[in-house]
Amino acid sequence: NAGVMQNPRHLVRRRGQEARLRCSPMKGHSHVYWYRQLPEEGLKFMVYLQKENIIDESGMPKERFSAEFPKEGPSILRIQQVVRGDSAAYFCASSSRGYEAFFGQGTRLTVV
Amino acid sequence: DQQVKQNSPSLSVQEGRISILNCDYTNSMFDYFLWYKKYPAEGPTFLISISSIKDKNEDGRFTVFLNKSAKHLSLHIVPSQPGDSAVYFCAASVGGNEKLTFGTGTRLTIIP
Repeated sequence: NAGVMQNPRHLVRRRGQEARLRCSPMKGHSHVYWYRQLPEEGLKFMVYLQKENIIDESGMPKERFSAEFPKEGPSILRIQQVVRGDSAAYFCASSSRGYEAFFGQGTRLTVV
Repeated sequence: DQQVKQNSPSLSVQEGRISILNCDYTNSMFDYFLWYKKYPAEGPTFLISISSIKDKNEDGRFTVFLNKSAKHLSLHIVPSQPGDSAVYFCAASVGGNEKLTFGTGTRLTIIP
C-alpha cells in the first residue's frame, strides 16, 4: 500500500510563472489536506478537500492560490504568478474520516 | 497568533535517558492533540495522539501527557535512542484530524 505521493519533490520557478503541485492520497483515503512550511516555522494549514469538494480553505491566501481534488486523479495545488515569498515546503496529507492523517514527503518550491 | 507553542527549539539528551518535549496551547477549543516526528527532506510521521477526555496515552516508548487546566502537553520518550533524533511537532485540532494547528517544532538530538 503506497503512501501519500507528492510530485515533484523539488520545483524551481521564476517569479511570475505558475507552480503546480500534485498529491496522490493513500489508497482508500478520500480526505486531502495541504500544509505549507516556511523556513524555521511549523506547518500551516492551507486547505482541506474531499473528492470534488473544498471543505475548508481558510488557510489559503486569497489570491493566486487554488486547490482541487477531482473525481479522478491527484489533488492539485496551483500557485499562479509565483513570488519569492511562496518559496516553501508544501506538504500534502490524506486520511480516512476519523483517522490520523498521513503526510507525503513534500514538494520544495523555490522561486528565483 | 501562535496558538500552539513549542518554546524549546532544540533539546539534547543522552542515549538511554528520558526525552521530554513540551507543548503549550492557547485555544481552549482544541480537543485532540498529536505528535509528529520529522526527518530532513521527509514528511511528518504520526507518533501518538491524545483526546481531551484523557490525560495520558502510552504507546511503547512514547507517552503523551495532557494537562487541560494548564493547556500543556508533553511527550516522553524512554529510553531515548539515536534513531529518535529528529524534529518533533506538536499539533492540535478541534473535533478530529482535520485542520491541524502545528507548533514550530523541537529538534531532538540523542547523544550516543
